Amino acid sequence: NTKITQSPRYLILGRANKSLECEQHLGHNAMYWYKQSAEKPPELMFLYNLKQLIRNETVPSRFIPECPDSSKLLLHISAVDPEDSAVYFCASSRRDRDTGQLYFGEGSKLTVL
Amino acid sequence: GDSVTQTEGQVTVSESKSLIINCTYSTTSIAYPNLFWYVRYPGEGLQLLLKVITAGQKGSSRGFEATYNKETTSFHLQKASVQESDSAVYYCALGDQNTGYQNFYFGKGTSLTVIP
Repeated sequence: NTKITQSPRYLILGRANKSLECEQHLGHNAMYWYKQSAEKPPELMFLYNLKQLIRNETVPSRFIPECPDSSKLLLHISAVDPEDSAVYFCASSRRDRDTGQLYFGEGSKLTVL
Repeated sequence: GDSVTQTEGQVTVSESKSLIINCTYSTTSIAYPNLFWYVRYPGEGLQLLLKVITAGQKGSSRGFEATYNKETTSFHLQKASVQESDSAVYYCALGDQNTGYQNFYFGKGTSLTVIP
């Protein structure tokens, strides 16, 4: 799916700060960050609808989302922890009720040393 | 609460054999659940395989099919003859289509290995 791009694709960190970026070219109104740890299903971290943060699950405060415009989504991570090692997926969806699906990016794999 | 259960974590099937991956769902808050199967091929993101938004209907794609059974709260994925290229992780998902955004619940995933 080249219509949702994420960068970087792979990331290896010690206890550093980093940002993940996502951009969707689908004209969708809602964007999401999901975390998928090994052997687990994707878990919703944050959700933006029309640039407004409306869902914020119990995520550590070192994760800070940002939505500079309706097509872009950032995830700032400060002082990463080994438990943060996972693949982070960006996703988007339309407002139209008939669509009813999430479109995912290819993911950013974070490895914390 | 709302949840999805996939009982098999890993499934191995020989090429050309039939496949069934079980999925059941539970919801206390969603009036009209939408059901999905997503697939994740190695090195790629999640892709929608098929979806059904009406109870009693069947969805199909790439030879896979699943029927939304409201009575048994199930949405099992089936394929009559698998191919090696079907090896991937399959996720069943329950959606609550609220106004403007999706509230999704994913199962734990079933890793399918097709051996030639």
